[in-house]
Amino acid sequence: NAGVTQTPKFQVLKTGQSMTLQCAQDMNHEYMSWYRQDPGMGLRLIHYSVGAGITDQGEVPNGYNVSRSTTEDFPLRLLSAAPSQTSVYFCASSQLGRRSYGYTFGSGTRLTVV
Amino acid sequence: AQSVTQLGSHVSVSEGALVLLRCNYSSSVPPYLFWYVQYPNQGLQLLLKYTSAATLVKGINGFEAEFKKSETSFHLTKPSAHMSDAAEYFCAVSDSQGGKLIFGQGTELSVKP
Repeated sequence: NAGVTQTPKFQVLKTGQSMTLQCAQDMNHEYMSWYRQDPGMGLRLIHYSVGAGITDQGEVPNGYNVSRSTTEDFPLRLLSAAPSQTSVYFCASSQLGRRSYGYTFGSGTRLTVV
Repeated sequence: AQSVTQLGSHVSVSEGALVLLRCNYSSSVPPYLFWYVQYPNQGLQLLLKYTSAATLVKGINGFEAEFKKSETSFHLTKPSAHMSDAAEYFCAVSDSQGGKLIFGQGTELSVKP
């Protein structure tokens, strides 16, 4: 089925470890983004991209890196995990410039940093 | 810069009562506005969206929202709450078609029998 696929669904990291959260979409969407969800704070935008080779920072970019080498993939990298990065992460995509557009969300990655 | 403020982190209503969840936005350009619902341990589901057509927008599950430019508001309503409406609701704003989407802090809705 077409949509946004996030892997893994669950992950436990030790402080200082690195990892990459994967996000892939097969809808040829130009826009992709990463959010983190924490209780009482809603979803906060980490990084976003409006096309291959173009990325920009959102509200809470510190501690995270992204790249967009293809239209389909938008991985989120944690270079040195910290307990403050314990959260649920969502990836979303959409097609730019269409009135009838909608955002498609992945099912989320629950990350615990110990 | 865009922002969204949801008034009330928790709202409790009785079954059959009116549901009103408040959302105010700030945007330097005409906004695109959304309401999403999240059930426990699940992802986000779109309830409805405003994209500069009709100001009264009807969504799924009997919800609707009215865009009021003069009040910079996009409040979500449902005439009669059902137990299955218990969830967290998020208001969000975008300044372009399909571009950067900013969320509010969320409102948790409880429905009492």
